Amino acid sequence: GAGVSQSPSNKVTEKGKDVELRCDPISGHTALYWYRQSLGQGLEFLIYFQGNSAPDKSGLPSDRFSAERTGGSVSTLTIQRTQQEDSAVYLCASSLNRVDSGNTIYFGEGSWLTVV
Amino acid sequence: DQQVKQNSPSLSVQEGRISILNCDYTNSMFDYFLWYKKYPAEGPTFLISISSIKDKNEDGRFTVFLNKSAKHLSLHIVPSQPGDSAVYFCAAIGGPSGTYKYIFGTGTRLKVLA
Repeated sequence: GAGVSQSPSNKVTEKGKDVELRCDPISGHTALYWYRQSLGQGLEFLIYFQGNSAPDKSGLPSDRFSAERTGGSVSTLTIQRTQQEDSAVYLCASSLNRVDSGNTIYFGEGSWLTVV
Repeated sequence: DQQVKQNSPSLSVQEGRISILNCDYTNSMFDYFLWYKKYPAEGPTFLISISSIKDKNEDGRFTVFLNKSAKHLSLHIVPSQPGDSAVYFCAAIGGPSGTYKYIFGTGTRLKVLA
């Protein structure tokens, strides 16, 4: 597709279960970001992938969160042993190249996670 | 440490009037700034941007102003329309090599009253 694609769009899971969220960035975009937005909160940075460089994981809230990006394209965000405070919309974004700061980033529609 | 701050969580403006959304930042190494608009249940969409070498950028009803000495930027919407009602995020990018990630503010919810 032409835009950033995320799946699932909605996920309800029981506390303690693991979830995987998937992101397909725009073709050719080398930078990929994960953010989350909890109810009433701003956009919280989670992790950033740029090409083959080591990812910037500084925003991951705990070791229950991990992400990988295979082949420089698709990314999966995994949350283990989910907690109710993990409920949020998880947004993926991609951009062309970090070197050119004139590039905007393009967001997907988000994956809405509810932990019950 | 919130490097990009939007101190007004919400703003209400009458249709046809000017909306002014403010954003402050602390990191002097930021060199590019962007505004995103977000409707409920949708991902943020790009609105307008400005490079640190400029102090103003205009696109139709939207103008962004940058005051580098005050580390402050603002988004002006004139005239405001009901369809502008959304959450607006400012974002900044820049820094030493290896730190190019977008930092977002917490957002300002704009409500344009018909």
